[in-house]
Amino acid sequence: QKEVEQNSGPLSVPEGAIASLNCTYSDRGSQSFFWYRQYSGKSPELIMFIYSNGDKEDGRFTAQLNKASQYVSLLIRDSQPSDSATYLCAVNAPNDYKLSFGAGTTVTVRA
Amino acid sequence: GAVVSQHPSWVICKSGTSVKIECRSLDFQATTMFWYRQFPKQSLMLMATSNEGSKATYEQGVEKDKFLINHASLTLSTLTVTSAHPEDSSFYICSAPGTGANYGYTFGSGTRLTVV
Repeated sequence: QKEVEQNSGPLSVPEGAIASLNCTYSDRGSQSFFWYRQYSGKSPELIMFIYSNGDKEDGRFTAQLNKASQYVSLLIRDSQPSDSATYLCAVNAPNDYKLSFGAGTTVTVRA
Repeated sequence: GAVVSQHPSWVICKSGTSVKIECRSLDFQATTMFWYRQFPKQSLMLMATSNEGSKATYEQGVEKDKFLINHASLTLSTLTVTSAHPEDSSFYICSAPGTGANYGYTFGSGTRLTVV
């Protein structure tokens, strides 16, 4: 079983719609959860992190964490063509700085 | 804050030669630096963890004699790909953990290595 799994893409949404990205993790002791955006040929850039159960909002992005279900999601509201990228879910191993990455979900926002 | 500068951004080298990639933390001290490799359409694969002043820790399957990592100061970590071969062609990215207001992991801009 992979440590971090993301819903397979690609995900295509019309401009202005909500894009929903899902991620599950296997280590129940994981403490911090990150969403990164990676444009083709570029390195990942941090969108947001979350470590408490519930929702965390930052602009058009909302991260949701449910530790009981070992599930973290990212919602992108009012999707824009510039949001077209691969989104990586990453999880912090307990007592370790290492990050485990999911395979990524590619999102395409149709104008 | 929390900027990691990575150079070069791309390099083409001949098979059998060595290539050095540098990552510098510009406005913070990076006691730890992670080195990743990413093949096309794949996710990031952690190669090794470098810690300032000590030996790097390599992930299973990564040849430590081929991928030499040096972390001699709190602001500089280097990865040297020795005797590079075409199969080493990849996107190499460094990353350092941030703290406080810069919590999260800052990535360098990446180095596209092509071995011909």
